Amino acid sequence: DADVTQTPRNRITKTGKRIMLECSQTKGHDRMYWYRQDPGLGLQLIYYSFDVKDINKGEISDGYSVSRQAQAKFSLSLESAIPNQTALYFCATSASGGQEQFFGPGTRLTVL
Amino acid sequence: GDSVTQMEGPVTLSEEAFLTINCTYTATGYPSLFWYVQYPGEGLQLLLKATKADDKGSNKGFEATYRKETTSFHLEKGSVQVSDSAVYFCALSASSRSARQLTFGSGTQLTVLP
Repeated sequence: DADVTQTPRNRITKTGKRIMLECSQTKGHDRMYWYRQDPGLGLQLIYYSFDVKDINKGEISDGYSVSRQAQAKFSLSLESAIPNQTALYFCATSASGGQEQFFGPGTRLTVL
Repeated sequence: GDSVTQMEGPVTLSEEAFLTINCTYTATGYPSLFWYVQYPGEGLQLLLKATKADDKGSNKGFEATYRKETTSFHLEKGSVQVSDSAVYFCALSASSRSARQLTFGSGTQLTVLP
């Protein structure tokens, strides 16, 4: 079984809809991250969380919100989706003090 | 702020050719450096890393040496295979950041032809 899972894997939605992307991990890591990947831009950090009670904005948090429901779960919400949020979204985890991040398989989101 | 600049792709090579993907960085302090690989339809996975100057990271025939004097971490492989076709990302983790955030380059698409 995969250590970091994301649901859904693909989603097509319309402008103005609320969307939630979910991430679960079985690695026992405290830290979780949400990234966005656009062609030619690498990965940009949206939000990160050190633990259940510690959530921080990343480089591009506008238009997004997150919830850390448990150590193992970290969800990303788009309150009112817009077309330029069409992208590939990745969740990642790392151990406290660790440098390596472990990535989920990604969610491809299309906003029409 | 921290940044990573990667050689632009796409790169197309024949099987058994020599590969170099250039990566340079700007960071305060003494960052750790990484190469991640993304195979089609998958998430990123760590390929190799180096945590201090002159360290050489290696894995699966790939190598990269942390060069502080040139602020570089170029990825090399002596003989590529079709199965190496993927997107390669250079990244750094700045020691000054308690969050251990990763700053990524833009990625380099590699296609290896049989």
